[in-house]
Amino acid sequence: DVVMTQSPLSLPVTLGQPASISCRSSQSLVYSDGNTYLNWFHQRPGQSPRRLISKVSKRDSGVPDRFSASGSGTDFTLKIRRVEAEDVGVYYCMQGTHWPETFGQGTRLEIK
Amino acid sequence: QMQLVESGGGVVQPGGSLRLSCVGSGFTFTRYGMHWVRQAPGKGLEWVAVIWYDGSETDYAASVKGRFTISRDNSKDTLYLQMRSLRAEDTAVYYCTKKDFDLWGQGTLVTVSS
Repeated sequence: DVVMTQSPLSLPVTLGQPASISCRSSQSLVYSDGNTYLNWFHQRPGQSPRRLISKVSKRDSGVPDRFSASGSGTDFTLKIRRVEAEDVGVYYCMQGTHWPETFGQGTRLEIK
Repeated sequence: QMQLVESGGGVVQPGGSLRLSCVGSGFTFTRYGMHWVRQAPGKGLEWVAVIWYDGSETDYAASVKGRFTISRDNSKDTLYLQMRSLRAEDTAVYYCTKKDFDLWGQGTLVTVSS
């Protein structure tokens, strides 16, 4: 299985400051169709996960533009331009290129 | 609006069985493959199983293969997960999700304990 490794696992951030989460895969996530199936999810405490980003950098409808994502091959990054209180929770990357789909361990974002 | 609602969770003894259901609404259920994903208490997300939009193909995580069966009834817009030979390590919140993980249910808790 493809191993997804996130860092950091804990991310204390001051309100209004930027945040960045790294996700690395053990194999290239470029699929035979040329797409890279790398998603980012946010899970608030007590809630279901919500997809934020698909195919490396495509923001889902309703996701604030302070969220951005980039990367290629095996290295990917999620950035929050200015952290707001509602951004707390756990962020997961997930690859859908290789069977089975696999998730990173999660990065817990908290407000300092 | 699009929605997935799971049900069927509960407490079951080791070795027991349970069937989870997930009803979709607000979208054309029959057009999409569906997944089950689980989350053990305080842990991360684990993909469990997938079924094609028409039920023609299924696939499972190694940890549940041979014990769990994913199925669907498109006439009822409903996804199922039949779980047998349950173990303590199957204790988790089980989520159903749409094909591209862009829609999740609220989850249903399965506790395997004597």
